[in-house]
Amino acid sequence: EAQVTQNPRYLITVTGKKLTVTCSQNMNHEYMSWYRQDPGLGLRQIYYSMNVEVTDKGDVPEGYKVSRKEKRNFPLILESPSPNQTSLYFCASTLRPGYEQYFGPGTRLTVT
Amino acid sequence: RKEVEQDPGPFNVPEGATVAFNCTYSNSASQSFFWYRQDCRKEPKLLMSVYSSGNEDGRFTAQLNRASQYISLLIRDSKLSDSATYLCVVNSLAAGTALIFGKGTTLSVSS
Repeated sequence: EAQVTQNPRYLITVTGKKLTVTCSQNMNHEYMSWYRQDPGLGLRQIYYSMNVEVTDKGDVPEGYKVSRKEKRNFPLILESPSPNQTSLYFCASTLRPGYEQYFGPGTRLTVT
Repeated sequence: RKEVEQDPGPFNVPEGATVAFNCTYSNSASQSFFWYRQDCRKEPKLLMSVYSSGNEDGRFTAQLNRASQYISLLIRDSKLSDSATYLCVVNSLAAGTALIFGKGTTLSVSS
């Protein structure tokens, strides 16, 4: 089954404790993105990757890092999480920009 | 002007009603247009792409007006299961920023 998976689905952590949210897709897509979704603000892109070893900032990259060492994986790293990073996070992939994006199930992160 | 604007609603309609959502976009050079559906706390999923000639999928009809930079979604014979948030999505020609999402319009269908 074609899908995007994310882990963990739910995470409660404390300020400053490094965490990684994993994302994996099995569709051989080159383009992957991370979004955060907050009430009243909609989906905002954090980072994206056009291909292996190619990443770039989206609209709200501050406080986040990503890496793309393999085509299928695109982890999101929060080196020092803060409460304003409490949000619902989605990973997405697509064959190429402008095409339909497939989303993972989401990760609900709470930073206290 | 925001890149993609939608009426947030909520739209509260009875079963069987016809409801229309509108969306405007600011970049006249945008080339791809979509409607996504998002159920509460779940991931967005593609409902339908929007083509210049307009397109229909069952009870759903999408239309695009490039001159007015306007996209619409019409839902006929609403079902309870149509209750969700509908996201208008437009591609961005900025390098790598594939899709720009509107904030969504919430639909609630009641019996």
